[in-house]
Amino acid sequence: AQSVTQLDSQVPVFEEAPVELRCNYSSSVSVYLFWYVQYPNQGLQLLLKYLSGSTLVESINGFEAEFNKSQTSFHLRKPSVHISDTAEYFCAVRHSGGSNYKLTFGKGTLLTVNP
Amino acid sequence: KAGVTQTPRYLIKTRGQQVTLSCSPISGHRSVSWYQQTPGQGLQFLFEYFSETQRNKGNFPGRFSGRQFSNSRSEMNVSTLELGDSALYLCASSATYNEQFFGPGTRLTVL
Repeated sequence: AQSVTQLDSQVPVFEEAPVELRCNYSSSVSVYLFWYVQYPNQGLQLLLKYLSGSTLVESINGFEAEFNKSQTSFHLRKPSVHISDTAEYFCAVRHSGGSNYKLTFGKGTLLTVNP
Repeated sequence: KAGVTQTPRYLIKTRGQQVTLSCSPISGHRSVSWYQQTPGQGLQFLFEYFSETQRNKGNFPGRFSGRQFSNSRSEMNVSTLELGDSALYLCASSATYNEQFFGPGTRLTVL
């Protein structure tokens, strides 16, 4: 079984400041890692994913996350945030083997970007 | 390509009733998963269907059921509704192991 812990339920920051949203996971098997974003009254959108290879993955809108196997972490970072980044962010894992696509999510981190 | 569609978007029911939610996956996607999202429990996996077969199931009571049709469209049913079933129900479709595409969800309110 897997579990995901997002250490901060809310992160308020000012526009153009850097931000880090923390995610730790627990699993007895190898996993794939994901970050999803949810804007108000919408579904989830995939932000970025780690499957294999380079431990640093980037999204098209400036976010990046680094897979750290020894610390079982997959923290999300952005060097300079915009008002439009205000949303809830979810870290998720799934078993990298097997034939099912079940995702296990963290509780989410609400990022609020203030002017 | 059209995205994942879910109908209805909003639903109000009373305790004891049953409800059916529908999900149409992206064309060509054979896997459909369902999740329940609540403020207290967060996002929880309900079940996954692949080619009309339930491939995985979460820890929900038997009141929650689902099915998938030959065109990959999926429905989930909740019988004997309880107040705690009020939630956003999200459907996700997938063609491969490395990405799931989520629909906008159905907001169910149980009074």
